[in-house]
Amino acid sequence: DGGITQSPKYLFRKEGQNVTLSCEQNLNHDAMYWYRQDPGQGLRLIYYSQIVNDFQKGDIAEGYSVSREKKESFPLTVTSAQKNPTAFYLCASSINRDRGETQYFGPGTRLLVL
Amino acid sequence: GDSVTQMEGPVTLSEEAFLTINCTYTATGYPSLFWYVQYPGEGLQLLLKATKADDKGSNKGFEATYRKETTSFHLEKGSVQVSDSAVYFCALSDRDKIIFGKGTRLHILP
Repeated sequence: DGGITQSPKYLFRKEGQNVTLSCEQNLNHDAMYWYRQDPGQGLRLIYYSQIVNDFQKGDIAEGYSVSREKKESFPLTVTSAQKNPTAFYLCASSINRDRGETQYFGPGTRLLVL
Repeated sequence: GDSVTQMEGPVTLSEEAFLTINCTYTATGYPSLFWYVQYPGEGLQLLLKATKADDKGSNKGFEATYRKETTSFHLEKGSVQVSDSAVYFCALSDRDKIIFGKGTRLHILP
């Protein structure tokens, strides 16, 4: 079955530590996205990528970094510079970034700070 | 800039009640409009979409009509079930950007 997988489901971060969230898709989609979800705030875009080896900052990129070395993979690193990382992180993909294209979401990773 | 406003929740209804969740938007172009649903602990799933004015999207008994004159895309269902309990997000996509509303939590009581 085609879809998007995210791992781990839960992740714990210690102070000063960088952590990496995995996102893999087998839908052959060009575009991939990372969102942060906080209670009552909807989804906020962190980074997006339209093609391999290219990515752009979203609305809240500070304290995060990404890479897109393969079409299928778009990992997100939450760095120690992100002072309030506790949130639910969602990865998504779409065929491209054209208007009208549906985004397909993974099951999410919940990040908690110890 | 473009934006989406949807009614605040939570919305609590009894099973078999009629559901309306309001969504209005502002956009400078001609956006596509979406409703996504998020069940507890999961990611979002597309519920329905409409890509031009007067289009009606429908799925699983839910429907919404793209109203350009009122800049609205209200979600409706004639008879809700307990299994419809979830968070519903209205969204618009214009040019190369998608914007989500803050979500409306729906509770259906048996």
